[in-house]
Amino acid sequence: DAGVIQSPRHEVTEMGQEVTLRCKPISGHDYLFWYRQTMMRGLELLIYFNNNVPIDDSGMPEDRFSAKMPNASFSTLKIQPSEPRDSAVYFCASRTSGNEQFFGPGTRLTVL
Amino acid sequence: AQRVTQPEKLLSVFKGAPVELKCNYSYSGSPELFWYVQYSRQRLQLLLRHISRESIKGFTADLNKGETSFHLKKPFAQEEDSAMYYCALMDDMRFGAGTRLTVKP
Repeated sequence: DAGVIQSPRHEVTEMGQEVTLRCKPISGHDYLFWYRQTMMRGLELLIYFNNNVPIDDSGMPEDRFSAKMPNASFSTLKIQPSEPRDSAVYFCASRTSGNEQFFGPGTRLTVL
Repeated sequence: AQRVTQPEKLLSVFKGAPVELKCNYSYSGSPELFWYVQYSRQRLQLLLRHISRESIKGFTADLNKGETSFHLKKPFAQEEDSAMYYCALMDDMRFGAGTRLTVKP
């Protein structure tokens, strides 16, 4: 098993552009999480899904951020329009109920 | 609101010295707490969880409900312990801000 897969690994874009981050969870995991990691704020939970349904999106910073999970094997996090302050590493993680989370390698986003 | 607090962003010790990374939590029920570690250029991974009561890589963490703490300890730090450490509350999967541990030779 390749674990949680994220793409792209690195993304550099200009302010105002749309950014889409992708995640493939581990097969059989029914929870999927999106986190943002910055030096200042550490690891922030943005949103999580259970059985493809968004459960808690209170961590999503603002309306520019949106996340979807159209099926059990794919999720996207979209930022539109992107801003320099969105620069961070974005992690996806998955787990089954009551068990440890497995993290992807992260996407390092730089917004110029 | 439930939350996890790691008061130290940076911690530096010498090799062989004891190390303690602090974690305090606020939770109304019986918490389930974890420590995750991120080594340089590696994924975040589980280090230990309080319910297992085990020692991993020489690290231990005891849940102290009276002090609402779950500090991570190791009696003799090694250079390979240098990493970013996160305390997490399982119930809402929110993490503390993290502590970067540096073990100097």
